[in-house]
Amino acid sequence: DAMVIQNPRYQVTQFGKPVTLSCSQTLNHNVMYWYQQKSSQAPKLLFHYYDKDFNNEADTPDNFQSRRPNTSFCFLDIRSPGLGDTAMYLCATSRGTGTGSYEQYFGPGTRLTVT
Amino acid sequence: ILNVEQSPQSLHVQEGDSTNFTCSFPSSNFYALHWYRWETAKSPEALFVMTLNGDEKKKGRISATLNTKEGYSYLYIKGSQPEDSATYLCAFISGTASKLTFGTGTRLQVML
Repeated sequence: DAMVIQNPRYQVTQFGKPVTLSCSQTLNHNVMYWYQQKSSQAPKLLFHYYDKDFNNEADTPDNFQSRRPNTSFCFLDIRSPGLGDTAMYLCATSRGTGTGSYEQYFGPGTRLTVT
Repeated sequence: ILNVEQSPQSLHVQEGDSTNFTCSFPSSNFYALHWYRWETAKSPEALFVMTLNGDEKKKGRISATLNTKEGYSYLYIKGSQPEDSATYLCAFISGTASKLTFGTGTRLQVML
């Protein structure tokens, strides 16, 4: 049974054309994360929500925004995608961030290609 | 900037071989170390979360050890099977941050 679902699995968008990636979870976890993984690189945290509290990483470009309308859903909006934003985007959830002992549950990712 | 390194980058082994790979991380301010397995076209899934120096964890044929003083963790797979083919990611949490810092992974291919 899918627990963290990402849609779409593959997305092709044009340079500068806004795109939204979707993530939903059935785990009722407090925390939702968005990671970006470029080819041959480590997954890199873009931001996370603890409930409704948004936490942006210092080096996340302003071009990347996120929304969490309720516990189950979280969206990643890329306002003006550049060619360098071509990557796999992973959504993950966890019960909390207070301790590092909480494992994260990942979706299968959305592979985004910007042309 | 926290540096998490994994070696080797990729590995090909024969079915039945045992194998191991390494995750290196900063030895100061350790909080936790996670291992994930990521099969192609699937979601990464957690294998182990390790928090104590000297920890050893096991799940079936896969086990992991942790040395926080020297900053490394080993993942062992005994008697590799084709279904073990995946990318194995480690991720580190320092005491000053609540986020995971990932390595680039070790890609394992088990051949028949």
